[in-house]
Amino acid sequence: QAVVTQEPSLTVSPGGTVTLTCASSTGAVTSGNYPNWFQQKPGQAPSALIYSTSKRHSWTPARFSGSLLGGKAALTLSSVQPEDEAEYYCLLYYGGGQVVFGGGTKLTVL
Amino acid sequence: QVHLVQSGPEVKQPGASVNVSCKASGYTFTTYGVSWVRQAPGQGLEWLGWISGSFGNTNYAQKVQDRITLTSDTSTTTAFMELRGLKSDDTAIYYCVRDRGYFDLWGQGTLISVSS
Repeated sequence: QAVVTQEPSLTVSPGGTVTLTCASSTGAVTSGNYPNWFQQKPGQAPSALIYSTSKRHSWTPARFSGSLLGGKAALTLSSVQPEDEAEYYCLLYYGGGQVVFGGGTKLTVL
Repeated sequence: QVHLVQSGPEVKQPGASVNVSCKASGYTFTTYGVSWVRQAPGQGLEWLGWISGSFGNTNYAQKVQDRITLTSDTSTTTAFMELRGLKSDDTAIYYCVRDRGYFDLWGQGTLISVSS
């Protein structure tokens, strides 16, 4: 089974910009992996942010954007707000209907 | 409003089975599938499997494929997850998620504790 790797932790200043990445052990992440991104705050269920690499859900703030960057899926947060402090997870789809989550990135806004 | 409402927490002994339900409302149940995801205490998310909304086709994660069965009842718009042969490391919050080819709507989660 594929392993999906994210940065364990990142720190960003309020108002700054930060990029989280999502790598696959099988090779470059492509649009065919349909990358999804989720935000999870303590004690809450995850909330969907991005799907199919770069598409925002209707409730996703415009400061969240998704892309492919250097063979990885990427989530960029611009004009970071204190409430963006959370755990972020990516998800990749693989052949045979298998789905794999990354280990998560703990984002600290400081 | 679109909702997925899951059944309540359970405590099980090792070796037992557990059934978790996920009641969908606010959308046409047969249009989309449901995936199940779990999160052990202090750990990340783990995908367990998927069931289609209409024909009941399933796909399971290799790690649990011998112990999990996903079903659904279209008449009650409810998806079910059965996990058998419970072990202590099955202790986790279990989530159902609407799967449209991407995940959007999450249930509130169900805590399953496995302990003797």
